[in-house]
Amino acid sequence: EDQVTQSPEALRLQEGESSSLNCSYTVSGLRGLFWYRQDPGKGPEFLFTLYSAGEEKEKERLKATLTKKESFLHITAPKPEDSATYLCAVQDYGGSQGNLIFGKGTKLSVKP
Amino acid sequence: EAGVAQSPRYKIIEKRQSVAFWCNPISGHATLYWYQQILGQGPKLLIQFQNNGVVDDSQLPKDRFSAERLKGVDSTLKIQPAKLEDSAVYLCASSRTGRVGELFFGEGSRLTVL
Repeated sequence: EDQVTQSPEALRLQEGESSSLNCSYTVSGLRGLFWYRQDPGKGPEFLFTLYSAGEEKEKERLKATLTKKESFLHITAPKPEDSATYLCAVQDYGGSQGNLIFGKGTKLSVKP
Repeated sequence: EAGVAQSPRYKIIEKRQSVAFWCNPISGHATLYWYQQILGQGPKLLIQFQNNGVVDDSQLPKDRFSAERLKGVDSTLKIQPAKLEDSAVYLCASSRTGRVGELFFGEGSRLTVL
């Protein structure tokens, strides 16, 4: 059974304090790993797609990396506006295009 | 471009009552999804449409949930009768054909069943 586990559940940082979020996954065949950001009361917002081990993607202060068993979302010098829940999702080759298996998310709070 | 539109944003009903949610996807997006997000959990796919055909409804509780996408654009999700455990946010999303995993979500419809 496909599984996605995110850690930590919650993370509090001071503005400018860099850190990483972890997403470990178990799938029979990874078609893609995806990171989303979700603000309170909003739907998830797509951030990155990673397809194979060793791949990296960057966007502003965020950098996503992928290994064969896990992905990391590195946040460099975060700002208060980076506060949100970050969701990781995987798609198995056996699943339909939209059947993403989501983790429970990491709630990030960045204090000024 | 306009985003995914959903309504109503909030709905409170008694158990055993019925409710319907509406979604209008981004123009030109052929694929439409309904996800259920229970508080503290990640979204879970209920049903996926490609144009007006169902691609995946394996996780839709068909004894009480139904969904349709007439004319390949708007979609409605209905729950009848509702149970307490149906309290959740119902998210509609759409995507361009071939863009694996890159979904555009609406703001969701929050359902509370009392």
